[in-house]
Amino acid sequence: AQSVTQLDSQVPVFEEAPVELRCNYSSSVSVYLFWYVQYPNQGLQLLLKYLSGSTLVESINGFEAEFNKSQTSFHLRKPSVHISDTAEYFCAVSDTGLPQGGSEKLVFGKGTKLTVNP
Amino acid sequence: DSGVTQTPKHLITATGQRVTLRCSPRSGDLSVYWYQQSLDQGLQFLIQYYNGEERAKGNILERFSAQQFPDLHSELNLSSLELGDSALYFCASSVKGQLPNEQFFGPGTRLTVL
Repeated sequence: AQSVTQLDSQVPVFEEAPVELRCNYSSSVSVYLFWYVQYPNQGLQLLLKYLSGSTLVESINGFEAEFNKSQTSFHLRKPSVHISDTAEYFCAVSDTGLPQGGSEKLVFGKGTKLTVNP
Repeated sequence: DSGVTQTPKHLITATGQRVTLRCSPRSGDLSVYWYQQSLDQGLQFLIQYYNGEERAKGNILERFSAQQFPDLHSELNLSSLELGDSALYFCASSVKGQLPNEQFFGPGTRLTVL
């Protein structure tokens, strides 16, 4: 079984400040890792994903996350946040779907509400 | 726009009633997933269908059922509704058979049980 822990339920920051949203996971099998963002009254959008290869992955809007296998973490960072980054962020894992017959269901953390203040 | 559509957007009903939520996946996607988002439980996987067949089950109550039709749209049926069933229900779709599996989420159906 897999589980995801997002250590902070709420993170308030000022505009242009750096931010880190923490995510730790537990799994007995290889996993893919994802960060999804949910803006108010909207569905979930994929922000970035770690599949394999480079442990540092980046999104088009300045977020990055680093996969740390030894610490089973996938923290999300942004060096300078904007008001428009205010949203709830969800870390999720799925197994790799192997061996054949496995499910690719996503297991989500409880979410972190990021509030960017002027 | 993810390409996944869900109807209705909002649903208000009474305890004991039955409702049906509908999801149309992205064109070409064979897998459909249903998730429930509630304040106390967070986002939880309910059930997955692949090309018309049930693929995986999560924390889905026996009062809930789902199916995927030949045109690949899916319906989630919730019966004998209770106050605690009030939640946001998301559908997601993906292309099975290609790794990795990236899921695209619809806008959700907000169910309120009074």
